[in-house]
Amino acid sequence: DTGVSQDPRHKITKRGQNVTFRCDPISEHNRLYWYRQTLGQGPEFLTYFQNEAQLEKSRLLSDRFSAERPKGSFSTLEIQRTEQGDSAMYLCASSASHSTRNTEAFFGQGTRLTVV
Amino acid sequence: SQQGEEDPQALSIQEGENATMNCSYKTSINNLQWYRQNSGRGLVHLILIRSNEREKHSGRLRVTLDTSKKSSSLLITASRAADTASYFCATDLLANQAGTALIFGKGTTLSVSS
Repeated sequence: DTGVSQDPRHKITKRGQNVTFRCDPISEHNRLYWYRQTLGQGPEFLTYFQNEAQLEKSRLLSDRFSAERPKGSFSTLEIQRTEQGDSAMYLCASSASHSTRNTEAFFGQGTRLTVV
Repeated sequence: SQQGEEDPQALSIQEGENATMNCSYKTSINNLQWYRQNSGRGLVHLILIRSNEREKHSGRLRVTLDTSKKSSSLLITASRAADTASYFCATDLLANQAGTALIFGKGTTLSVSS
């Protein structure tokens, strides 16, 4: 297993277009997280899954953002009608968490989105 | 939203000196983790301390947790130029059900010069 992988690494899109990112977590990790990070800031929580269930979604996340994790494996994050403010690094992480406690999260290298 | 807040925002030291970063958080937690991020790269886990622990060591890292003050500190001893990075604390909120998300602070940028 090579860790958490994200695709694509870079994406440039025109404002108003839809984009979709993919994250492949470490095998058998039951938790998967999506974060957004802008320059000089910490990762901002977007949403997370436990297996295939989306357990929490940030109140800051607009309706233009949607995430799925079919069959509890890979996950996709879609942004519809992109805006320039969506430009950021989108990070995915996974962890093998049990009961109510998180454990060490492993991060992918991120997808850098630029909206022009 | 940010649960944790690191202090200072930026820290510059010389090689060989110790670096101390602090993290304060707002609500009760299950555990607290520290991560490092080199410029333009993904985050790397450093250490996890549970809410019933007060201190933990890993190599040159020492983490303390004071749940009464809702604060944690990360000490890096004998710093090296390779320690130059941003450091983030992340908290796992106390939950009754399936657990909660891992929430990060804004980070401390550490610069170690040789």
